[in-house]
Amino acid sequence: DVKVTQSSRYLVKRTGEKVFLECVQDMDHENMFWYRQDPGLGLRLIYFSYDVKMKEKGDIPEGYSVSREKKERFSLILESASTNQTSMYLCASSYEQGIYEKLFFGSGTQLSVL
Amino acid sequence: QKEVEQNSGPLSVPEGAIASLNCTYSDRGSQSFFWYRQYSGKSPELIMSIYSNGDKEDGRFTAQLNKASQYVSLLIRDSQPSDSATYLCAVNSLPRGSQGNLIFGKGTKLSVKP
Repeated sequence: DVKVTQSSRYLVKRTGEKVFLECVQDMDHENMFWYRQDPGLGLRLIYFSYDVKMKEKGDIPEGYSVSREKKERFSLILESASTNQTSMYLCASSYEQGIYEKLFFGSGTQLSVL
Repeated sequence: QKEVEQNSGPLSVPEGAIASLNCTYSDRGSQSFFWYRQYSGKSPELIMSIYSNGDKEDGRFTAQLNKASQYVSLLIRDSQPSDSATYLCAVNSLPRGSQGNLIFGKGTKLSVKP
């Protein structure tokens, strides 16, 4: 089974803190993604990566950055957390590209910024 | 911006009935289509994929695709209370844009009453 592991299930941070969300996959997948999911807004893509040290902006990259130093690990960084970044954060990976791309999701991190 | 539309629900069906979930998409060039199931507080998991017009059956699930009408549906036969979840429609549209390859609908919440 594909395993996508997110380091924290719940996280509470204060406004202005720098926040690191970690994601590790164990299936040698090339592609990794960070989404946030909010009620009524659905899944929105923040950043994605097709290779080590490579990253591309998604629909809502503002206020976030990412790091992919190793193939299996994709980190999401909130440079200065704000209350509007309170959300469920979902990491995903995929091994195929093109029309056959299927996403496997981690269990999610519910982040609350106070 | 490419879009995928779903009725948010909730869709309520009695146990044993057929649940019908619908999805329309805006990009006529879309080539692959997916249904994800998301239980409350959990992450999405892939349950069906379909690439060509017609029906694809997998156990109690049937995905139906009509590219001319830009419409994809998911039928769940003999619905069970354990099918109660939010169902996300995802459409793969190339070339990859800021939404990524997969464009997600906001999901339809299904409730199966015993």
